[in-house]
Amino acid sequence: ETGVTQSPTHLIKTRGQQVTLRCSSQSGHNTVSWYQQALGQGPQFIFQYYREEENGRGNFPPRFSGLQFPNYSSELNVNALELDDSALYLCASSGTKVPGANVLTFGAGSRLTVL
Amino acid sequence: DQQVKQNSPSLSVQEGRISILNCDYTNSMFDYFLWYKKYPAEGPTFLISISSIKDKNEDGRFTVFLNKSAKHLSLHIVPSQPGDSAVYFCAASAFSGGSNYKLTFGKGTLLTVNP
Repeated sequence: ETGVTQSPTHLIKTRGQQVTLRCSSQSGHNTVSWYQQALGQGPQFIFQYYREEENGRGNFPPRFSGLQFPNYSSELNVNALELDDSALYLCASSGTKVPGANVLTFGAGSRLTVL
Repeated sequence: DQQVKQNSPSLSVQEGRISILNCDYTNSMFDYFLWYKKYPAEGPTFLISISSIKDKNEDGRFTVFLNKSAKHLSLHIVPSQPGDSAVYFCAASAFSGGSNYKLTFGKGTLLTVNP
């Protein structure tokens, strides 16, 4: 059984640019969540996708957007990058849309640096 | 406003001794609690969870205790092993509430187990 894979692992962008991060869910999982982990902080919920629709959103501005595809893979897009967007972006998949009932499986993350 | 707090950024213990990691929460809607472990360059991995209807859950060397009246939970690792050295995150979910799609994480505690 393959786990959650994310790409790219590291990338550097400049302020104002746009970035797309990609995630392949664990086999059999239909729900994808994205979390942002800033340095020295715990992961913060960005949003969740279930059956290709956004199912919940954290306290992030609209320039953070996402997609989920029919094969349950997902993208996180961030427009107009700011310095504070520098963080580790974690993708997590689960078998249902309720994380308390089904454990989230995390990928290793994409480390974004904004200069 | 941090709803899940891990007040100890780090903890150091000797191999074979007990490790106790603490977590406090403020949101009374939380009814499911999880511990995740994170090694460098890897995503968080699920360790153990507990529902609010229980006060203890045990899995091998790992035991989680929940004190609902104090809004406090702790993770006990006995005996501690050098391979347990990692960052431990406490997380909570409002399983039966309106925001049951997300986990709220603490900032993490870095556990170092010395041989």
